[in-house]
Amino acid sequence: GENVEQHPSTLSVQEGDSAVIKCTYSDSASNYFPWYKQELGKGPQLIIDIRSNVGEKKDQRIAVTLNKTAKHFSLHITETQPEDSAVYFCAASAGNQFYFGTGTSLTVIP
Amino acid sequence: GAGVSQSPSNKVTEKGKDVELRCDPISGHTALYWYRQSLGQGLEFLIYFQGNSAPDKSGLPSDRFSAERTGGSVSTLTIQRTQQEDSAVYLCASSSVVVGSPLHFGNGTRLTVT
Repeated sequence: GENVEQHPSTLSVQEGDSAVIKCTYSDSASNYFPWYKQELGKGPQLIIDIRSNVGEKKDQRIAVTLNKTAKHFSLHITETQPEDSAVYFCAASAGNQFYFGTGTSLTVIP
Repeated sequence: GAGVSQSPSNKVTEKGKDVELRCDPISGHTALYWYRQSLGQGLEFLIYFQGNSAPDKSGLPSDRFSAERTGGSVSTLTIQRTQQEDSAVYLCASSSVVVGSPLHFGNGTRLTVT
C-alpha cells in the first residue's frame, strides 16, 4: 500500500518568514495530493491541492509543488502570520483511498 | 448545514459501555470515511463507504468496532465494550463521487473512556 512520510514534525518560524513542509509518497499510482490545516479542536480543513498533471499551484501566500519522478511534494507558506499556526497534514490519493502524513505542527512567533 | 456534522462533539463513557457516534455528510456526497486521531497523532483510517458498495472495513482495529450507513447518507460508528485505549477524536469525512475530489471533514467527536 501507499506510504506517506512528512517532515518536519514541528516547525517554528518568525512572523513574516517562509515555512516549508515536505512529503514523500511511495505509490506511483497516487495522482491527487491535498493539504489540510487543522486548528485546535477542529477537523482538518483543505487549504490547497494538486493533481499529478500539474507541477505547481499557488493560492495567495500558499503554494504546493509536486515532483512525480522523485515522488515528493511540498507546501510553501510565505509571509507567515500568527494565524497560520496549526497542524498541517499532507495526503496522497489514488482512486478513493487517502493516505495521510503524520502532520507538522507549525508555530509562527510574533 | 453546508458542512459535515458530527454528534456528539464530546462523549465521556465508562470502560465497558457501548457508544454510538453519528456523522451527517454533505448532501449529495456518496463517499463517507471514518478516521481516528489519538492525541497529537495523525489520522488513522477506520472504514470507508461508497454508495451502495460493500464498505472497506480494513482499518477497523477490532471486532468491537462497527459502522453502518443508512440510506446512503447518515453514518453511525459503534464501539462496543469500550476500552481506555479507544479514547481519541473520531473524525468523519465525505466527498463527492468524482475521483480526486477532496475530503471534507467534520469537527469530530472527542471520546474519553474512563
